[in-house]
Amino acid sequence: DVKVTQSSRYLVKRTGEKVFLECVQDMDHENMFWYRQDPGLGLRLIYFSYDVKMKEKGDIPEGYSVSREKKERFSLILESASTNQTSMYLCASSLIGEAFFGQGTRLTVV
Amino acid sequence: SQKIEQNSEALNIQEGKTATLTCNYTNYSPAYLQWYRQDPGRGPVFLLLIRENEKEKRKERLKVTFDTTLKQSLFHITASQPADSATYLCAPYNAGNNRKLIWGLGTSLAVNP
Repeated sequence: DVKVTQSSRYLVKRTGEKVFLECVQDMDHENMFWYRQDPGLGLRLIYFSYDVKMKEKGDIPEGYSVSREKKERFSLILESASTNQTSMYLCASSLIGEAFFGQGTRLTVV
Repeated sequence: SQKIEQNSEALNIQEGKTATLTCNYTNYSPAYLQWYRQDPGRGPVFLLLIRENEKEKRKERLKVTFDTTLKQSLFHITASQPADSATYLCAPYNAGNNRKLIWGLGTSLAVNP
């Protein structure tokens, strides 16, 4: 069974902290994505990667960075967490078209 | 810019009826269109993909149409069940840009017993 696993289901962090969200896929997919989802705003792409060490900005990259050192792992980094980054974060991977999502990380920044 | 529009109003239907959800797109000519289901607090799950040269695609109680002239896809759930209650998202894309799906906001469907 194909799987995308996010490191945490729920996370509470303090303003100013550096936050790491990890995502691992076991399908040997080239493409990996980080989204955030907020009520009424839908899925918004933060960053995506189509190969190891490659990354491209999505629609809302400000305040975030990513790392892809291995094909199966794509990390999202909040350099200095702020309250407006409280959201549901979703990781996804794909080969061609069909995207497989992780279970999501609900991050609260206090 | 590219824009994807789905019914913004939640759809409430009676069990056993057919639910029809709409996805319209503008400033875009996708070669493929996908539909996903999302339950509260969960990531979307892939349901169906339809290609531009396919007018209709079926999978069990699901049917998707793709009209490139109208720039519209319709998603039907026949003999609906309360377990079909969820948010449904459409995501058109082109093969050259398939790394980056463009998402609609989704339509919330409630099937009442």
